[in-house]
Amino acid sequence: GIQVEQSPPDLILQEGANSTLRCNFSDSVNNLQWFHQNPWGQLINLFYIPSGTKQNGRLSATTVATERYSLLYISSSQTTDSGVYFCAGGGGYQKVTFGTGTKLQVIP
Amino acid sequence: EPEVTQTPSHQVTQMGQEVILRCVPISNHLYFYWYRQILGQKVEFLVSFYNNEISEKSEIFDDQFSVERPDGSNFTLKIRSTKLEDSAMYFCASNPRGDYGYTFGSGTRLTVV
Repeated sequence: GIQVEQSPPDLILQEGANSTLRCNFSDSVNNLQWFHQNPWGQLINLFYIPSGTKQNGRLSATTVATERYSLLYISSSQTTDSGVYFCAGGGGYQKVTFGTGTKLQVIP
Repeated sequence: EPEVTQTPSHQVTQMGQEVILRCVPISNHLYFYWYRQILGQKVEFLVSFYNNEISEKSEIFDDQFSVERPDGSNFTLKIRSTKLEDSAMYFCASNPRGDYGYTFGSGTRLTVV
């Protein structure tokens, strides 16, 4: 099955700083999603991004499908951005495989 | 904004008992999923469901697990004889079509004692 690696595993940021999270896939995927798991455990879909670039407020994501990686950019981080960021990918609608996550802590 | 609703939010059960976890997906969605997350670990796929049948299942989804969509709105996960290692957060998700992002429910935290 597809292997998903995320880096870094842990990240501590000062409020207002920018960061880049990376996700590498062992094989091609045509279903790639980024999620934020908040401190209450909820999984919030940030992006569906099998290729190209998308932006939503302070967050943006870029997927380079031919090189099997995706990047999530967080700008001007806020304490509410804390939590775990997961990428997940798969071959289609049937399932996605999650990475091990990047645990982000934003400190005031 | 439409939500995926899961009940109960927390369930404690004795080892060997049967549990049913309930989910109400978003009404116009066609694809449904169950995932689980053991505390502190990554989210694992259990099963996908489309057109009233299982479309894919993982090796975790053995004979003690089953899914049903009994009435066109609810989507249930049954664990027949729970084990201690079934303790986890169980998430339901739905998707309007294949090329779209998932919407997850808030999860059911299952504790087997």
